[in-house]
Amino acid sequence: QSVLTQPPSVSGAPGQRVTISCTGSSSNIGAGYDVHWYQQLPGTAPKLLIYANSNWPSGVPDRFSGSKSGTSASLAITGLQAEDEADYYCQSYDSSLSGSVFGGGTKLTVL
Amino acid sequence: QVQLVESGGGVVQPGRSLRLSCAASGFNFSSYAMHWVRQAPGKGLEWGAVILYDGSNQYYADSVKGRFTISRDNSKNTLYLQMNSLRAEDTAVYYCARSDDDYFDFWGQGTLVTVSS
Repeated sequence: QSVLTQPPSVSGAPGQRVTISCTGSSSNIGAGYDVHWYQQLPGTAPKLLIYANSNWPSGVPDRFSGSKSGTSASLAITGLQAEDEADYYCQSYDSSLSGSVFGGGTKLTVL
Repeated sequence: QVQLVESGGGVVQPGRSLRLSCAASGFNFSSYAMHWVRQAPGKGLEWGAVILYDGSNQYYADSVKGRFTISRDNSKNTLYLQMNSLRAEDTAVYYCARSDDDYFDFWGQGTLVTVSS
């Protein structure tokens, strides 16, 4: 049971828009801690996708965007491409656990 | 460019120990906090431990507290994870990751630890 809750899977056709939610609590996202997103392509290490809720690291296309409100955050992917098929994880800090916490991950399937 | 290369994984019996290493290059290692994050086969990411840039403080997930020790040698640009009293549920790919603020901006390729008799 992950501290941050994500849907196990989402899917969309090429060109479409999908969103992935990440729900936390008052000890993590709701406490004001930032949310970060990672993309993990099959068989590879995770890669930072969005940091501090809505910021892009160098090289990440702006088809990926993040937002945060209250105890939740969302990752949106527009103009879906086949290469976006991967697992996506949200991450934040939890004050009651005194450490980083991840969502359980969401598998994106491009139909 | 930033590179993190883990080593030391393998097959180990329950109750035994193993030490992982993470060799860092391409950045000022002594200026960054470093983490270990693991991923059990077919499962999600689990944060394990962090050590501050100067080694002054370490913090652990409850699942590894008291059994695992994170350390670093800034003169060798190397991060370590000493894993004792290993259990089957510790079987995972172990990643080292650099943190900038509270997110992980660079990850290694991972090293697989299998705990089995």
